[in-house]
Amino acid sequence: NAGVTQTPKFQVLKTGQSMTLQCAQDMNHEYMSWYRQDPGMGLRLIHYSVGAGITDQGEVPNGYNVSRSTTEDFPLRLLSAAPSQTSVYFCASSIDRAEDTEAFFGQGTRLTVV
Amino acid sequence: TQLLEQSPQFLSIQEGENLTVYCNSSSVFSSLQWYRQEPGEGPVLLVTVVTGGEVKKLKRLTFQFGDARKDSSLHITAAQPGDTGLYLCAGTMDSNYQLIWGAGTKLIIKP
Repeated sequence: NAGVTQTPKFQVLKTGQSMTLQCAQDMNHEYMSWYRQDPGMGLRLIHYSVGAGITDQGEVPNGYNVSRSTTEDFPLRLLSAAPSQTSVYFCASSIDRAEDTEAFFGQGTRLTVV
Repeated sequence: TQLLEQSPQFLSIQEGENLTVYCNSSSVFSSLQWYRQEPGEGPVLLVTVVTGGEVKKLKRLTFQFGDARKDSSLHITAAQPGDTGLYLCAGTMDSNYQLIWGAGTKLIIKP
C-alpha cells in the first residue's frame, strides 16, 4: 500500500535553478495539495487541486507552478529557486474536501537552496 | 500571526507523567483535527472533532473540542517514549474547507 509517494527525499539547488518535485497517490483521491513546512510556522498551503485538470492557489503560491493532468500525479515546479524556498515540502491527498476528511501525507522533500 | 495558536511550543517530560497541550483561536472552526508527525515523516491523523464539547479517546490520548468550537486540547495519560513527536492541530472553517494549521507542539518523552 504505497499511499502518497514523493520524490526526491532530499535536494540541493543553486539559486536560479528550476526543478520539479514529484507526487503520486494510488488511492484514487480527488483532492491533492502541496504544503511547505518551516520551523515555528506550521504547514502553509502552496497550491491545491480538486480534480484532474483543476488547480488553484493557496496561501503562498509565488514562485511555484502545478499541474494535474491525471488523478494520480500532482507535480510541483519551482521556476527559479531562491534561498527563501529552502523548506520541507509535503504533498497530501484526501478523498474530498469535506470538513472531516483525513489528509494523507507523503514523507516530504527537504529542499535547500544555496 | 497564526490563526491557530498551539501551546506549549515545546514540552519535555519523563515517562509516566501526564500532559496537556492546547490549540486555541479567536475564530470558530467547523472541525478540528489533531495530527502527529515524526522526524522525516509526514503528519498522520489522530482524530477529528466536529461538535462543540465533543470528547474523543484514543487509548491514553483524550481530545476535547471547546464548547464554542474555538479551541481544543489533547491530554496524554502516563506518557510513553513512543508518544514523542510533533503534535499539530488543523481546523476548517464553515466558509472554506482548506485546512488551517497550527505551528505544533514538539513533545519529548524521556525514558
